[in-house]
Amino acid sequence: QQQVKQSPQSLIVQKGGIPIINCAYENTAFDYFPWYQQFPGKGPALLIAIRPDVSEKKEGRFTISFNKSAKQFSLHIMDSQPGDSATYFCAASIGGYQKVTFGIGTKLQVIP
Amino acid sequence: DSGVTQTPKHLITATGQRVTLRCSPRSGDLSVYWYQQSLDQGLQFLIQYYNGEERAKGNILERFSAQQFPDLHSELNLSSLELGDSALYFCASSPTSGTQYFGPGTRLTVL
Repeated sequence: QQQVKQSPQSLIVQKGGIPIINCAYENTAFDYFPWYQQFPGKGPALLIAIRPDVSEKKEGRFTISFNKSAKQFSLHIMDSQPGDSATYFCAASIGGYQKVTFGIGTKLQVIP
Repeated sequence: DSGVTQTPKHLITATGQRVTLRCSPRSGDLSVYWYQQSLDQGLQFLIQYYNGEERAKGNILERFSAQQFPDLHSELNLSSLELGDSALYFCASSPTSGTQYFGPGTRLTVL
């Protein structure tokens, strides 16, 4: 049972483009939604996170949009660069010390 | 550097064998999580420990077991290894709020 559905699974954009990765969740008890970035051979690293009382959060070129009523959230990468090429995972959890449920991941390639 | 350490970095072994993967969480983090990531696969949650107690279980095989010690480091034991167990195994630790900090992983190759 996939509680966090992520799409697309792969994405190719040109440098400067704005890739968008979408996630949808089922469990309304989720109250914390982090995004992780993973480079090949490395562990995932926290990129940005949001709570459901906020509709948007920006950190540098990364923006999370959150739609609580639709149970969806998305990651936008502004002015994407080849160095952003990585796999991105959305996730959701309930409170602190709880299991985090990850999406399947999106492999992003930014071509020069 | 996340502050989470994992040893060894690489492990090559044969089918049927048993291995132990070790994880040291960030200072102060009480929760430790184990994940398996196969080639082109997502992160499969295996198990979570909180302050020495098992907190949640995911898709962990019966051949696999884990524990968290009083000093909060954790070990993942994989036994009767099969070719399909070849994967990257990540440990993560967490303070609160669901934010997890991942270690660099252990790459396990079963021949």
